[in-house]
Amino acid sequence: NAGVTQTPKFQVLKTGQSMTLQCAQDMNHEYMSWYRQDPGMGLRLIHYSVGAGITDQGEVPNGYNVSRSTTEDFPLRLLSAAPSQTSVYFCASSDWGTGGGTQYFGPGTRLLVL
Amino acid sequence: EDQVTQSPEALRLQEGESSSLNCSYTVSGLRGLFWYRQDPGKGPEFLFTLYSAGEEKEKERLKATLTKKESFLHITAPKPEDSATYLCAVQDNRNSGAGSYQLTFGKGTKLSVIP
Repeated sequence: NAGVTQTPKFQVLKTGQSMTLQCAQDMNHEYMSWYRQDPGMGLRLIHYSVGAGITDQGEVPNGYNVSRSTTEDFPLRLLSAAPSQTSVYFCASSDWGTGGGTQYFGPGTRLLVL
Repeated sequence: EDQVTQSPEALRLQEGESSSLNCSYTVSGLRGLFWYRQDPGKGPEFLFTLYSAGEEKEKERLKATLTKKESFLHITAPKPEDSATYLCAVQDNRNSGAGSYQLTFGKGTKLSVIP
C-alpha cells in the first residue's frame, strides 16, 4: 500500500510556464484534495473532489485547474505560473467511513516560480 | 467563517518537561476536531479525532482533550523524537455534500524538545 504519492518532489518554473502536479492514491478513497502550505499561512484548500467527474473549488482556487477522471488520480494544473504560486503543495485523500476528516497526505511538491 | 487559532506558535521544552498546546476554534457546528503531526519536509500525519466536549484521546505521550471552545494537546515527559509541528483542524457540520469533508487548519505549533 503506497498511500498517497505525489510527483515531482521539487520543481522550478519560470513565470508564465504551465505544469501539472501529479497525485495518486491506492486506498480507494472517494475524497481527494489539494492544499498549499506557505510560511505563516497554514494549509489552505485549493480544489477538492468526491469522485470521478466531480470537482469543486476551495479557499484559493485562482490560477489552478483540476480534473478527476479516475478514483485514483487527481492532478493539479498550473495554467500560467506566477511567483505568488511558489509554495509547498500537498495532496490528501479520505473516505466517509472515517468521517472524512481523517485525511492521508502525500509527501508534498515544492514549487519555486522565478 | 470557521477559524482555528493555535498557541503558542513555537515551544521549546527540555526532554521530560511536560506542557500543553492550545487550539481555540470558532465553528457553526463542530463535526470533528483533528490533530495532525507534521515533520520537516513531510506531509501531515493524522493523530486524533475528537467529536464532543469532554472527550479525550491518548497515544503514547500525547493526550488530546476537547471543550466547547478549545482543544489541548498535552505532552507528557516529551522526548526529542516528539519534535514536530502540530496542526489542529476543524470540520464544520454546517457543510453538506462534498463540502462535508473540508477541514479548516490552524497555523500550527512548532515543538522542539531539547535533550
